[in-house]
Amino acid sequence: DAGVIQSPRHEVTEMGQEVTLRCKPISGHNSLFWYRQTMMRGLELLIYFNNNVPIDDSGMPEDRFSAKMPNASFSTLKIQPSEPRDSAVYFCASRRGPSGNTIYFGEGSWLTVV
Amino acid sequence: QKEVEQNSGPLSVPEGAIASLNCTYSDRGSQSFFWYRQYSGKSPELIMSIYSNGDKEDGRFTAQLNKASQYVSLLIRDSQPSDSATYLCAVGINQAGTALIFGKGTTLSVSS
Repeated sequence: DAGVIQSPRHEVTEMGQEVTLRCKPISGHNSLFWYRQTMMRGLELLIYFNNNVPIDDSGMPEDRFSAKMPNASFSTLKIQPSEPRDSAVYFCASRRGPSGNTIYFGEGSWLTVV
Repeated sequence: QKEVEQNSGPLSVPEGAIASLNCTYSDRGSQSFFWYRQYSGKSPELIMSIYSNGDKEDGRFTAQLNKASQYVSLLIRDSQPSDSATYLCAVGINQAGTALIFGKGTTLSVSS
C-alpha cells in the first residue's frame, strides 16, 4: 500500500505569499494529523481530524494557518500570508481508527520562507 | 499544558553497548506511549508502543513504563552504528489517546 503522500516536498517562497501544503492519507485511515518540526520547538501537533472533522486545532499557531479535509483522501494546510518564522518541515500523518494504532508519517514538506 | 520531556543529548555509546533513553510526561491521565526513530532528513517511524506498566521487549529494543513516576524509557541492546538517529518519545494526550504529543527527541550516536 502507498504511504502518506505529501506535496510539495520542498518549497521556497517569499514572505507574504500564500503556501498550500497537501496530504493524501493512507487508504482506509480515518484520522489525519498535521505536525510541524523545527530544531527549536521539535515536533508540534498543529491540528488533527477524525473522519474528516477537525477535532483539535489548538496547536495552530495563529489565524494565518488554516487546514481543511474535504474528503477522506485529501487534506490541505494553508499559510496566508507566510512569514520567515514559518520555515519548518510540515508532516502529515494518518492512522486507522481513533486511537491506539500506529500513526504513519509522510515524508514531509520542507518549507522555506525568505 | 501537556508536556513530554527528553534529554536532547547527544548520547554517545560504543558499538555493542546498551543505550538508555529516557522520557517524562506531565499528563497523569495518559494511557499510550510510543517511541519513534527519526533519521536525519527523514520522517519519524514507530519502533515500539507500550500501554501497561513494566517492560515490553521487541528484539534488541525494550520499552519500560512507570505510570506512577510518569516515566518511559527505551533500552537498545547491542547498539549498532545504524541505530544512530534521533529518538522521539510520544504520549497519547487524552484517555482515548486520540493524538500524540512528542518530546523534542534524544540524538543517539553509536560509534564503531
